[in-house]
Amino acid sequence: AQSVTQLGSHVSVSEGALVLLRCNYSSSVPPYLFWYVQYPNQGLQLLLKYTSAATLVKGINGFEAEFKKSETSFHLTKPSAHMSDAAEYFCAVSDQRYSTLTFGKGTMLLVSP
Amino acid sequence: GAGVSQSPSNKVTEKGKDVELRCDPISGHTALYWYRQSLGQGLEFLIYFQGNSAPDKSGLPSDRFSAERTGGSVSTLTIQRTQQEDSAVYLCASSLTRGTDTQYFGPGTRLTVL
Repeated sequence: AQSVTQLGSHVSVSEGALVLLRCNYSSSVPPYLFWYVQYPNQGLQLLLKYTSAATLVKGINGFEAEFKKSETSFHLTKPSAHMSDAAEYFCAVSDQRYSTLTFGKGTMLLVSP
Repeated sequence: GAGVSQSPSNKVTEKGKDVELRCDPISGHTALYWYRQSLGQGLEFLIYFQGNSAPDKSGLPSDRFSAERTGGSVSTLTIQRTQQEDSAVYLCASSLTRGTDTQYFGPGTRLTVL
């Protein structure tokens, strides 16, 4: 069975500071990995995905994530936080048979001025 | 183009009543997924459709939950004899096919069972 662990239910940063959201996965097969963002009262929007091509994946809004097989990690980073980045972020792993997503519990990113 | 739409956006019902939740996927998307988001359980997979068939129903929590998809398009999730623990946001997603294709999510239906 696949699983995802997101460390930290809440992360607080100042505007302009580095954003680091942690994600570790468990999968018996090479995984497909995703980061989604959810703004209040909205659905999920894909930030980026890893599908066994380049290990450093660039996404929308200046976010990127690096797949590290040895650490079973897929951490999300952004060099400089913006107030508009405040949202909940979900890491997910895909089942390769039917592509159903298994999500982590989510990390709420708080950005202060 | 139009994204995934869901209706109603909010539904309040009494315990024991049946409810139907609707999902309109992006036109041409053959894969459709239902997920549930609740405070206690986070985001959980419910059911997957490829065309009108549901090869994976493993996430449905009980036999009170059922879903169908018609014409390879609209899907309806039905919950019979609703219970308070069914209160959650029900999210629908569609993708062009399965595999590495991106799943596009709708805004969800917030279900409250009193």
